[in-house]
Amino acid sequence: AQKITQTQPGMFVQEKEAVTLDCTYDTSDQSYGLFWYKQPSSGEMIFLIYQGSYDEQNATEGRYSLNFQKARKSANLVISASQLGDSAMYFCAMSDYNAGNMLTFGGGTRLMVKP
Amino acid sequence: SAVISQKPSRDICQRGTSLTIQCQVDSQVTMMFWYRQQPGQSLTLIATANQGSEATYESGFVIDKFPISRPNLTFSTLTVSNMSPEDSSIYLCSVRRSAGGENEQFFGPGTRLTVL
Repeated sequence: AQKITQTQPGMFVQEKEAVTLDCTYDTSDQSYGLFWYKQPSSGEMIFLIYQGSYDEQNATEGRYSLNFQKARKSANLVISASQLGDSAMYFCAMSDYNAGNMLTFGGGTRLMVKP
Repeated sequence: SAVISQKPSRDICQRGTSLTIQCQVDSQVTMMFWYRQQPGQSLTLIATANQGSEATYESGFVIDKFPISRPNLTFSTLTVSNMSPEDSSIYLCSVRRSAGGENEQFFGPGTRLTVL
């Protein structure tokens, strides 16, 4: 069984500063994928970034980077130069390839960017 | 990325009625999923929509309550049957282009359902 934990229910960050959103996971599989999604108040789920368990380098997409520490089973999202539009819910998710590629989601972190 | 549309975007329904939600993708995809997000909660997988065969339901979800159709590789429907206020949620369609495309899973805009 797999489990995703996001320990920060809510966070504040000052505009233009960097912020790290924590995500830890638990799985017995060697092959898996880790995802981060952004959900603004409109409700849509916006794909941000992906990290495969066999990827040696941390994934980056623009201002988003994933700090992947496999031995610690953590996949933290780093947002650089925060913008007001970054205020949203952020969800970490894991895909278990041996169980049909279904995503399991963490509880989410609400990020609020202060001007 | 895949462009996914859902209809309706939102609805307010009476207890005991049923609502069918449509999901349309702009290109063929192998895998389609339906998720539920209850107020203030995370996403929970309802089922995997299989083309030409019965959907695969997760624990706690049954076909009688959430019948699903998938007639082709670009379209699926989810029906929420005999609704109660506890069914008030956002329902999201999600797709992957191929079974091997593990790094690309996209979501539709969601259907916000309120049951009175």
